[in-house]
Amino acid sequence: EPEVTQTPSHQVTQMGQEVILRCVPISNHLYFYWYRQILGQKVEFLVSFYNNEISEKSEIFDDQFSVERPDGSNFTLKIRSTKLEDSAMYFCASRRLAGETQYFGPGTRLLVL
Amino acid sequence: QKEVEQDPGPLSVPEGAIVSLNCTYSNSAFQYFMWYRQYSRKGPELLMYTYSSGNKEDGRFTAQVDKSSKYISLFIRDSQPSDSATYLCAMSSPRSGNTPLVFGKGTRLSVIA
Repeated sequence: EPEVTQTPSHQVTQMGQEVILRCVPISNHLYFYWYRQILGQKVEFLVSFYNNEISEKSEIFDDQFSVERPDGSNFTLKIRSTKLEDSAMYFCASRRLAGETQYFGPGTRLLVL
Repeated sequence: QKEVEQDPGPLSVPEGAIVSLNCTYSNSAFQYFMWYRQYSRKGPELLMYTYSSGNKEDGRFTAQVDKSSKYISLFIRDSQPSDSATYLCAMSSPRSGNTPLVFGKGTRLSVIA
């Protein structure tokens, strides 16, 4: 069964450093998302992406964040200058059509020191 | 008032019990309702997906949506120790094709053998 994959599974970085989290959505999916989950808290929406542009973003997704679909398969989340409070699990999700549900990847655990 | 409320538990039941998990919500625009299962430090895994009101059954799992009460439920019959996980409700509105999911905080379930 096709699945969303994410790399790396864990990343440790120093405050102020740039990180890029990578995702490969399910191949025939058209809508892509990033969510995050701070330990012990809700899964929170960051950004949605369709037709090579951002569709919607939350207030969390400030100028330090960016997303890109550099080729036909990868979908990346970049954090330009990480802060301690960016430490969280980051999930990529995708779906094929509007009205269908989203399928999540296994997540990248980001720790900012 | 929070958009989606879910009792975080923990909920502990003996093997074979019927489990009832619930969420309430405030946004009447929500039309799509999902239940995800999340094992520790893993990504959310889709269990059930329903549109609007009604019931849906899949094996040991039954999802119910009562839009008039803004209340959704997930029932697990003949619960097994492997059902021990955190259960997340999620929902979205159909205002555009790329609506984000809004999650509850999750209920941690333990099924004791």
